[in-house]
Amino acid sequence: EVQVVETGGGLIQPGESLRLSCAASGFSVNNNYMTWVRQAPGKGLEWVSVLYSDVNTYYADSVKGRFTISRDNSKNTVYLQMTSLRAEDTAVYYCARVEYYDTNGACDIWGQGTMVTVSS
Amino acid sequence: DIQMTQSPSTLSASVGDRVTITCRASQTISHYLAWYQQKPGKAPRLLIYKASTLRSGVPSRFSGSGSGTEFTLTISSLQPDDFATYYCQQYNYLLTFGPGTKVHIK
Repeated sequence: EVQVVETGGGLIQPGESLRLSCAASGFSVNNNYMTWVRQAPGKGLEWVSVLYSDVNTYYADSVKGRFTISRDNSKNTVYLQMTSLRAEDTAVYYCARVEYYDTNGACDIWGQGTMVTVSS
Repeated sequence: DIQMTQSPSTLSASVGDRVTITCRASQTISHYLAWYQQKPGKAPRLLIYKASTLRSGVPSRFSGSGSGTEFTLTISSLQPDDFATYYCQQYNYLLTFGPGTKVHIK
C-alpha cells in the first residue's frame, strides 16, 4: 500500500526544537518530491516546505531560517527539523507526496498528520 | 508569492443541489491547480488536478474548470458525503492553498 505516516509531534515549550518524521511505504522518497503542510486548530491548510532534491528545498516565509526539510533514502523517510518554535507553529503537520508524472505537482498521498503544540 | 482566494468562504446547500466554488490566483498559474476535500479530523483528499482532471476513484459529479487565474469546482448534485471543506491549491510555483470553502447542510 502506498502511504506515508508522520510521527514526532507533541507538546513543546516555546524556543525549543522538534523533529518530525514521515515514513513512506509503497514508493521511494528518493524518486519523489515531498512536502509538509500544516493546519492550525480551526484554520485552513498552510504550505510549509517542499523538497525537490537534497539541494533544492523551499520554505514558507513564516518558517524560513527555523525549519529544515531533509530525507534519508536508506530509511525512506522525510524529516522536518523545527527550531525556535513559537506558539503560532501549533498545528497538525501533514506530510504529502508531490506527484509529478501524472498530476505535474499535486499532492496525491497524505499522512494522517501529527500534532505539534507549542506552549509553556 | 502567489496568493489564492476562494469564494464563497461558506456555503449552505441541500442534497441534490448544484454547487460551484470559485478560486482565483494573484497571477497566472496556467492549469497548475488542484482541488482537495477535507473532512473534520482527516487529511485532505485530492479530487482534481491540472484544473480539470478528475482523480481516479473520485465521483464524476465533481468537475473542475478554468485556466490562468480563475478556476471553478462544481459538484453537479450534492450528496451527503460531500459536506466538507474544499481547498484549491496552486502548484505553478511552489505551493499555495486557498483559504477554503466550507459546504454545510442548509
